[in-house]
Amino acid sequence: GDSVTQMEGPVTLSEEAFLTINCTYTATGYPSLFWYVQYPGEGLQLLLKATKADDKGSNKGFEATYRKETTSFHLEKGSVQVSDSAVYFCALILSGGGADGLTFGKGTHLIIQP
Amino acid sequence: NAGVTQTPKFQVLKTGQSMTLQCAQDMNHEYMSWYRQDPGMGLRLIHYSVGAGITDQGEVPNGYNVSRSTTEDFPLRLLSAAPSQTSVYFCASSYWGTGATGELFFGEGSRLTVL
Repeated sequence: GDSVTQMEGPVTLSEEAFLTINCTYTATGYPSLFWYVQYPGEGLQLLLKATKADDKGSNKGFEATYRKETTSFHLEKGSVQVSDSAVYFCALILSGGGADGLTFGKGTHLIIQP
Repeated sequence: NAGVTQTPKFQVLKTGQSMTLQCAQDMNHEYMSWYRQDPGMGLRLIHYSVGAGITDQGEVPNGYNVSRSTTEDFPLRLLSAAPSQTSVYFCASSYWGTGATGELFFGEGSRLTVL
C-alpha cells in the first residue's frame, strides 16, 4: 500500500540554522504531496503542497520540491526560528482523491533553541 | 472563521463508559473524517464520510461508530471505552470530487483519557 517515511526526531537545532526534514514515499499512482505542521496544543494545518513532479511548494520560508525520480519531498528552511518549533507531518494522497484520505508519515518533532 | 469545531477538548472516562465526540464544519465540505494521534504512530484514520448518509471504515475502526445525518456534523461514538482508546482525536474535512486537492482542514483536537 501507499506509505510515507520521515525522520521522527526529535530534531534539535539552534536558531538561524538550516533545516532539512527528509520525506520519502511509496505510492501506486501519482500522488499529491503535502507538509502539515502541528504547533503545541493545536490541530494540524497545511504548510505547503505540490501536486506534480518538479513542483515546488513554499510558505513561511519553508520549501519542498516534488522529486518523482527519488520519490521524495524533503522540507527545507534556510534559517529557522524558535517559533518554528512544532511537529511536521509529510503526507500524500493519490491523484483523483482517495476516500480514505491522506496517508501520513509519523511526524518529525522539531525543537529550535535560542 | 469557525472552520472545524470539535467538542469537548478534554474528557476523562472510566472503562466501559460511552461518549460522543462532536465535530462540526461550516465550509460545506462533503468529506469528513476522524483520526487518532498516538505517540510514535502518527495519525491513523478511524472512519470517514463522503457525504450525508455515507460512512466507511478507515484503518482502525474497532470500538468506534459514526453517522452522518447532515453535511455539517460528523460525531464519533465510543460505545464502551477502553484504556487503549486513550488518545488525541482529530476531526478533519475537505472538498470532495472533481477539482478537490486533497487538502484537509483539521479541528483543534479532543484529548481523551480512559481510566
